[in-house]
This record gives sequence, C-alpha cells and structure tokens, in this order.
Amino acid sequence: AQSVTQPDIHITVSEGASLELRCNYSYGATPYLFWYVQSPGQGLQLLLKYFSGDTLVQGIKGFEAEFKRSQSSFNLRKPSVHWSDAAEYFCAVCTTSGTYKYIFGTGTRLKVLA
Amino acid sequence: EAGVTQFPSHSVIEKGQTVTLRCDPISGHDNLYWYRRVMGKEIKFLLHFVKESKQDESGMPNNRFLAERTGGTYSTLKVQPAELEDSGVYFCASSPDRTGPGTQYFGPGTRLLVL
Repeated sequence: AQSVTQPDIHITVSEGASLELRCNYSYGATPYLFWYVQSPGQGLQLLLKYFSGDTLVQGIKGFEAEFKRSQSSFNLRKPSVHWSDAAEYFCAVCTTSGTYKYIFGTGTRLKVLA
Repeated sequence: EAGVTQFPSHSVIEKGQTVTLRCDPISGHDNLYWYRRVMGKEIKFLLHFVKESKQDESGMPNNRFLAERTGGTYSTLKVQPAELEDSGVYFCASSPDRTGPGTQYFGPGTRLLVL
C-alpha cells in the first residue's frame, strides 16, 4: 500500500542548531515527493519538491532534501534553524495512477528554543 | 496573484446540523482538491475536480458529504447531517497542471468542530 511515514511527531531544537526531519515512503512507481510547512494560522506552503534529476533538492527558507531511492527516504534538512522555523512539516508523495492526489505523512511539529 | 481562499476559517456546529465550506481556487487552475485532517491523524484526500467534473471522489467518507464545483470556479463541500467524527481541518488545494503531478497550492483550511 502507498504510504508516507514521518517517524518523529515532535522535534525540539535550539536556534542555530542543525535540523533533519525524516520521511520514508512506500510507493511502487517513481515517487513525486514534496515537503510542505504549515505555520500557525497559515495554509500549507511548499518548501521543495523532487520529481527527477539531482537527488539533492534546494528549497525556500534555506531548506534542502535528499532523495535516496535505496532507503525510500526523502529527509528534510536545514543547517541552522531560526526561531521562525517553528511550525508543522509535512512530507507527501503524489500518486500517478489515476488522479494526481497527495498521500501525506502525519506531520512533524518543530519547536525551536531560543 | 491571490492564493487559494477558504471560508469560513472556523465553524462550530451541533451534531445533526448542516455546514457548507467554500473554496476559491487560484484563478485559472482547473484542478481543485479537498483534503481533511482529523486531529492527530494525517491529511487525507477527499476528492478531485477537473473544472466542474469530479475526477476522483474515492476519499469521500460517506454520502453525508456532497461536493460541487459550480462552473468550474469555486467549490463547496456540504456536510449534512454533521456527526462528531466530521470534526477536523478541511483543506482545499488547486493546481494548474493537467498532464502531470504538479504542485498543489493549499488554502489556510476551515477548522470544523461538531459538538
């Protein structure tokens, strides 16, 4: 079955520390992968996406993600976290059979300590 | 360019009542999606419109949910009668792409609480 797993429900890091949010997917075909962020009171904003090509993808706000097919992973990273990065982060895969709909992970809520 | 808008932002209703959620996609986007997030769970797909036609409604929970997209523009999602388990955040998204898995642009969501 198609699924996305985000193992960490909550993560707390200090401002300035590095960050890695984990995402594993289960999908038979070529995965189209996304990371979205939802800040309080806001909608989901696209951080980055992977369709093909270079497996290291750069996104907005200094985020990057690396696609590793052998590990079925698409982890999100940031070298130095800012207090404004506190939000909930969602990993998603887009299905390609039938309609193009997203399958989301359960989300990871990031807390940043000053 | 205006983003996806949703109305209302919050709705509190009693069990058995009717609620209608509205979504205005980005102008020119043929694809419109509804998703729902029940507390503590993942965001789940409900249905997909291409213009005014329902392309996929496999995620609709039951026949208490009715979605429409008038003239291929805005969409409404009606819940009638509402049950306690319908509480959650309802997201709308739109996308211009018709030939591939393009980026979906999400609205802020409608937070529905059924008491």
